[in-house]
Amino acid sequence: EAQVTQNPRYLITVTGKKLTVTCSQNMNHEYMSWYRQDPGLGLRQIYYSMNVEVTDKGDVPEGYKVSRKEKRNFPLILESPSPNQTSLYFCASSRTGTGPNTIYFGEGSWLTVV
Amino acid sequence: GENVEQHPSTLSVQEGDSAVIKCTYSDSASNYFPWYKQELGKGPQLIIDIRSNVGEKKDQRIAVTLNKTAKHFSLHITETQPEDSAVYFCAARGGTSYGKLTFGQGTILTVHP
Repeated sequence: EAQVTQNPRYLITVTGKKLTVTCSQNMNHEYMSWYRQDPGLGLRQIYYSMNVEVTDKGDVPEGYKVSRKEKRNFPLILESPSPNQTSLYFCASSRTGTGPNTIYFGEGSWLTVV
Repeated sequence: GENVEQHPSTLSVQEGDSAVIKCTYSDSASNYFPWYKQELGKGPQLIIDIRSNVGEKKDQRIAVTLNKTAKHFSLHITETQPEDSAVYFCAARGGTSYGKLTFGQGTILTVHP
């Protein structure tokens, strides 16, 4: 079954304590991305990756890091989380190349920073 | 960059009625317009999409229309059912922003039995 898997699904952490949200896809997709969802703002892109070792900033990259060492994994790193990073996070992936290339989303990770 | 506006933010209908959600976009180079449905506790799932060379697309009770000149597109759901209740997002992908979707703010659709 085609899947984008995120972990953890729910996390409460304290300001400044580094955390990593993992993302893995089993569809051999080249493209992966992280979004955050906030009320009234829709989904906003944080970072994306076109392929292994190729990453770039989205619309709201401040306070986040990513890495793409393997094709299937794209972890999101919060080096020093702050309360304004409390949000619902989604990882997504898709093929590249011609065609509409449907973007598949994970189930989401609820992050609360206190 | 691309900007997508979505209306209404909430929509309440009776079962069997139609529901229409509208979006406008700013980048005339955008060429792909998907619609996602997000149920409680789940990630967004694609329900229908349309490319810029097509004016309308239908899939059973769901249809999407695109007006490139006016830069707006709409989702139409006919014969609504309670299980259609969810948050719906429109999105646009620009011609030079491969893979990146810019989302609307979302519409909370409630279908009353």
